[in-house]
Amino acid sequence: SQTIHQWPATLVQPVGSPLSLECTVEGTSNPNLYWYRQAAGRGLQLLFYSVGIGQISSEVPQNLSASRPQDRQFILSSKKLLLSDSGFYLCACDRGRAKNIQYFGAGTRLSVL
Amino acid sequence: DQQVKQNSPSLSVQEGRISILNCDYTNSMFDYFLWYKKYPAEGPTFLISISSIKDKNEDGRFTVFLNKSAKHLSLHIVPSQPGDSAVYFCAARIYNNNDMRFGAGTRLTVKP
Repeated sequence: SQTIHQWPATLVQPVGSPLSLECTVEGTSNPNLYWYRQAAGRGLQLLFYSVGIGQISSEVPQNLSASRPQDRQFILSSKKLLLSDSGFYLCACDRGRAKNIQYFGAGTRLSVL
Repeated sequence: DQQVKQNSPSLSVQEGRISILNCDYTNSMFDYFLWYKKYPAEGPTFLISISSIKDKNEDGRFTVFLNKSAKHLSLHIVPSQPGDSAVYFCAARIYNNNDMRFGAGTRLTVKP
């Protein structure tokens, strides 16, 4: 079964600073990869998904970007963080016969101050 | 555009009793539905799912019911245990589509 690694677990960044969150997947190949954000008291909002290396689809226009440099690596970035970027960021994957079930990493709590 | 709604932000139940969590959706194209459980500071974990060709799916203490005509699904937990205390998310997607929509979650508290 797949394992999803996310780091860091917690991050405090000043407004205007850059961001790089990394997600790697083990135990599967050619997964679909996803970045979600959960704002305080709200549900999960899909930010980006990728069906393959270099293929990124954006769901919500914002100052975040995503990249997939390797099959099992998904990176969430920003050049300048905003206060509104604070939240809980989750990486997820799905594939194969269980393609309809997404499995999540432990998440990164980002606080922009 | 909130296509999946969980109208109860919280639910409190006594240990041993039934917990019923509800979810409504608006997009009739959704044909696969999932429930996830989330503890604080952790990612959601998959709990149970149901395809639109069924109206019930059971796994141990957990049963999901789907009413397509009402665009409504529910998760029943019987008997409820204190360890079930968590936030439960309902999710829906179009089969094999990459876009999965989540509800806002319901915080379940099971009291000993």
